[in-house]
Amino acid sequence: DTEVTQTPKHLVMGMTNKKSLKCEQHMGHRAMYWYKQKAKKPPELMFVYSYEKLSINESVPSRFSPECPNSSLLNLHLHALQPEDSALYLCASSQEGTAYNSPLHFGNGTRLTVT
Amino acid sequence: QKEVEQNSGPLSVPEGAIASLNCTYSDRGSQSFFWYRQYSGKSPELIMSIYSNGDKEDGRFTAQLNKASQYVSLLIRDSQPSDSATYLCAVSGSQGNLIFGKGTKLSVKP
Repeated sequence: DTEVTQTPKHLVMGMTNKKSLKCEQHMGHRAMYWYKQKAKKPPELMFVYSYEKLSINESVPSRFSPECPNSSLLNLHLHALQPEDSALYLCASSQEGTAYNSPLHFGNGTRLTVT
Repeated sequence: QKEVEQNSGPLSVPEGAIASLNCTYSDRGSQSFFWYRQYSGKSPELIMSIYSNGDKEDGRFTAQLNKASQYVSLLIRDSQPSDSATYLCAVSGSQGNLIFGKGTKLSVKP
């Protein structure tokens, strides 16, 4: 069982909808990450929060909006998505504020389909 | 552009054999190296981390790191059909993020 919990597991949304993905960890980890993964591709980094502050934004389109309400929670707000945004969205956390000497632990992911 | 290179495979080995997975990276400043296993449709699962040159063993898995050659490998001894998955090599980048290779698909035949 993963110690990083993501909800929902599956999400289908239209291009005009607004939805949110949620992620929670209770391991006291100091960094949380959003990755996007398309089929047969490696995970692509989207955002990193370190000590609750956004530290990395990999030039992600503004239709994706991250939020870190506290050290245990990470949200990804979605609006006006495109069908090509359909993918597996992975949340991860690491004990330290970066991946130096601190492995990432992934949640089970949210399978997003945009229609 | 920092890169992590892996042979995409598929790598096919018979049950009980040793599977050898390789990875090279371009950033000489990288300090941390990880191997993740990912089953189809599932999320990546950490199986090994290595931070210094040499070998690190954990059960049937051995990670090997050679920073001078910018090379990291994963050996799986006594391979089982349940080891069939995609193995992702990940290397820490200069910003402290993880850079993933494209993964090697391993198939263990009974």
